[in-house]
Amino acid sequence: SYVLTQPSSVSVAPGKTASITCGGSNIGSKSVHWYQQKPGQAPVLVVYDDRDRPSGIPERFSGSNSENTATLTISRVDAGDEADYYCQVWDLSSTHVVFGGGTKLTVL
Amino acid sequence: QVQLVESGGGVVQPGRSLRLSCAASGFTFSDYGMHWVRQAPGKGLEWVAVISYDGSIKYYADSVKGRITMSRDNSKNTLFLQMNSLRVEDTAVYYCAKDPGYSYYFDSWGQGTLVTVSS
Repeated sequence: SYVLTQPSSVSVAPGKTASITCGGSNIGSKSVHWYQQKPGQAPVLVVYDDRDRPSGIPERFSGSNSENTATLTISRVDAGDEADYYCQVWDLSSTHVVFGGGTKLTVL
Repeated sequence: QVQLVESGGGVVQPGRSLRLSCAASGFTFSDYGMHWVRQAPGKGLEWVAVISYDGSIKYYADSVKGRITMSRDNSKNTLFLQMNSLRVEDTAVYYCAKDPGYSYYFDSWGQGTLVTVSS
């Protein structure tokens, strides 16, 4: 089955840029979606189809996807961005939705 | 705006059954595929199942296949998850989530309902 690998944690100072990676075999050929989940809350879609943002999501959130790594980039990080972030793809060969293990973003 | 409200969670013994519901509003329910996603306490997200807009196509995660059935009633704007032969490892918050349309991702989520499987 298809596997997505994320770092368990990323730390960043306020005002700096955070990059969260999502690794998978030839992930560049798939559409990658990213979710933000704060404690006690449901996840929220922040990036879909590699790089598109839903309405209401700040431009500070951006995505990229190439070869074996997709990346969620959050610029000008603030305390409100502290959350768990999950990448997700659809694996057509297994007809399964696949999530990465999640990355806890800590704002120092 | 889209609203998804799950219900039916609770404490159940291993081997027993439970039926979850998800009431949808704010969009044309019968036009969209829907998913269930779960999250065990302190763990990550795990996809459970998807159903097409008309209920004709369903896919299930390997961990639940054969024990769980997803269905929908478009006349009542309601999604269901029938869970049988429950195991301790099925303990989780269960979220229903809306697919934007043949896209297999989730643009809206409910707040979730907690299922606890324990003797």
